[in-house]
Amino acid sequence: EVQLVESGGGLVQPGGSLRLSCAASGFTFSTYWMSWVRQAPGKGLEWVANIKQDGSEKYYVDSVKGRFTISRDNAKNSLYLQMNSLRAEDTAVYYCANIIVAGRNLVGHLSWGQGTLVTVSS
Amino acid sequence: DIQMTQSPSSLSASVGDRVTITCRASQGISNYLAWYQQKPGKVPKFLIYAASTLQSGVPSRFSGSGSGTYFTLTISSLQPEDVATYYCQKYNSAPWTFGQGTKVEIK
Repeated sequence: EVQLVESGGGLVQPGGSLRLSCAASGFTFSTYWMSWVRQAPGKGLEWVANIKQDGSEKYYVDSVKGRFTISRDNAKNSLYLQMNSLRAEDTAVYYCANIIVAGRNLVGHLSWGQGTLVTVSS
Repeated sequence: DIQMTQSPSSLSASVGDRVTITCRASQGISNYLAWYQQKPGKVPKFLIYAASTLQSGVPSRFSGSGSGTYFTLTISSLQPEDVATYYCQKYNSAPWTFGQGTKVEIK
């Protein structure tokens, strides 16, 4: 059974930092692109970042570029999101998700974790 | 960046009704579109990719269509368990933008 378990969320002051982790099991982590997706309280889904299997390609939504860094450790089956210079508008539940491939194309987020809540407030 | 706009934002329909949700892209994205279902208090579920390909295990009452800039998600016969918010997402290139969501309720 695929499991994705996020951790590292919490309350942080504006301008502060947090590092989220996602522990993966039940699938061959090293062969999947991975994502972070967030959802502000009562709001819709927002894609945050993607990372290729070997970490050689990373993509971000404009609002987090230069502040967030996605990374992975395939030996530990783990995905990370380093979040710096946090703002109130970063308050959200952060989900990690694996990306399914069909043919040669990435086609969407198949499996999701339960999420970890990040609250940015003074 | 390409914007994804869903309509309506919410709808209320009776059990057994045919329900259609629209997703429009501000530029053409071929068929690089996915649909997700998020039930209240739950994590999103992957329903459809390539605009019309049903993910394994998804009930056949769900279907998707479209290409370019106009896409639809149809529930052929609405069931009580379909109460959820539905999101489209483009994945042709970063950013993988979601639509704002369509909340489906039972009348």
